[in-house]
Amino acid sequence: KQEVTQIPAALSVPEGENLVLNCSFTDSAIYNLQWFRQDPGKGLTSLLLIQSSQREQTSGRLNASLDKSSGRSTLYIAASQPGDSATYLCAVRDTNAGKSTFGDGTTLTVKP
Amino acid sequence: DAGVIQSPRHEVTEMGQEVTLRCKPISGHNSLFWYRQTMMRGLELLIYFNNNVPIDDSGMPEDRFSAKMPNASFSTLKIQPSEPRDSAVYFCASSFRLTSYEQYFGPGTRLTVT
Repeated sequence: KQEVTQIPAALSVPEGENLVLNCSFTDSAIYNLQWFRQDPGKGLTSLLLIQSSQREQTSGRLNASLDKSSGRSTLYIAASQPGDSATYLCAVRDTNAGKSTFGDGTTLTVKP
Repeated sequence: DAGVIQSPRHEVTEMGQEVTLRCKPISGHNSLFWYRQTMMRGLELLIYFNNNVPIDDSGMPEDRFSAKMPNASFSTLKIQPSEPRDSAVYFCASSFRLTSYEQYFGPGTRLTVT
């Protein structure tokens, strides 16, 4: 059974700092890994999708990497802003016909 | 595109009542997923469909839960009878294809069973 872990559970940083969020998974037989953002009381917003054959994806100030062999992904946020404050979740879609397993998320607070 | 649409956004009901949650996926997407989110258990996949056919319902907690997808543009998740422990936020998500594409989430239905 796939297990997804996100560490730390919470992170507080001053505005402008670069930061890294971590996601680890136990079964490397995956199709892809997706990073989401969730604001309080809202749905999930897709940030980046990395296919199993890819090493990284970039969108603006966000960069996600994937090391399938070690079961790890990182989400790098450059020059953090207060508007980046949210919970960030990673989801692994495994080869079992597209089933996704989510981590519990990292709650990020960026202080002005 | 309007995105994934869910209704109602909020539902408050009494224990024992039937609850029906609705979802309209993004047009052209052929995969649909139902999730439940709670503080205790996080985000759990309940069931998912591909081309309107249920593929995996192993996440459905009990027989009180059922889901249907009568056509490509509509799905329901029904709880009968509802119990207080069913209180959660229920999300619907859709994907262009089952495996290699992003999942897009709806805004969720916040269910409270008293």
